[in-house]
Amino acid sequence: QKEVEQDPGPLSVPEGAIVSLNCTYSNSAFQYFMWYRQYSRKGPELLMYTYSSGNKEDGRFTAQVDKSSKYISLFIRDSQPSDSATYLCAGEGSNYKLTFGKGTLLTVNP
Amino acid sequence: DTGVSQNPRHKITKRGQNVTFRCDPISEHNRLYWYRQTLGQGPEFLTYFQNEAQLEKSRLLSDRFSAERPKGSFSTLEIQRTEQGDSAMYLCASLTSGGINEQFFGPGTRLTVL
Repeated sequence: QKEVEQDPGPLSVPEGAIVSLNCTYSNSAFQYFMWYRQYSRKGPELLMYTYSSGNKEDGRFTAQVDKSSKYISLFIRDSQPSDSATYLCAGEGSNYKLTFGKGTLLTVNP
Repeated sequence: DTGVSQNPRHKITKRGQNVTFRCDPISEHNRLYWYRQTLGQGPEFLTYFQNEAQLEKSRLLSDRFSAERPKGSFSTLEIQRTEQGDSAMYLCASLTSGGINEQFFGPGTRLTVL
């Protein structure tokens, strides 16, 4: 079992839709959880990070962590075509080392 | 540009050749990470440096791989006797300790081994 599991999709939604992206993890030592966005042939860029269980909101993005069920979610409201990218969830372990899921390829259609 | 830079951006080589990639982190960042990303997968940790010291290496890093970070500034990743399975995107990221836990990634070096 991989430490971070993520459904690779692909996921295709119409513009304006609410998008839900999910991951599960198995390593209880993870302290922080990150969501990165990666455009084609580019490096990942950090979208959001959370430490404790609960919700964290930043504009149209909400990150949710449930440590009891080891479940991580990212919600995107009012999705835009510019949100089309691969979304990577990651757990942060010792030495700030990141363990990523496979990534979910999202396409938002105009 | 004050972000993480990587060179070359693309490298095509024949099996058995040696290749070397360079990463220039954000100047004040003392931690530097190398990851490998294959098609359809997330990045996988290879190794990391704090200043010039290489503190952790993944089991993915075979004996053919070596990384250095002389003087704690730029880093190089060398692959000797390349194999087709080495074809991947090699990503570098840097981080400053004690601040926000954000690893800033470079654009990557895409390696193709023929």
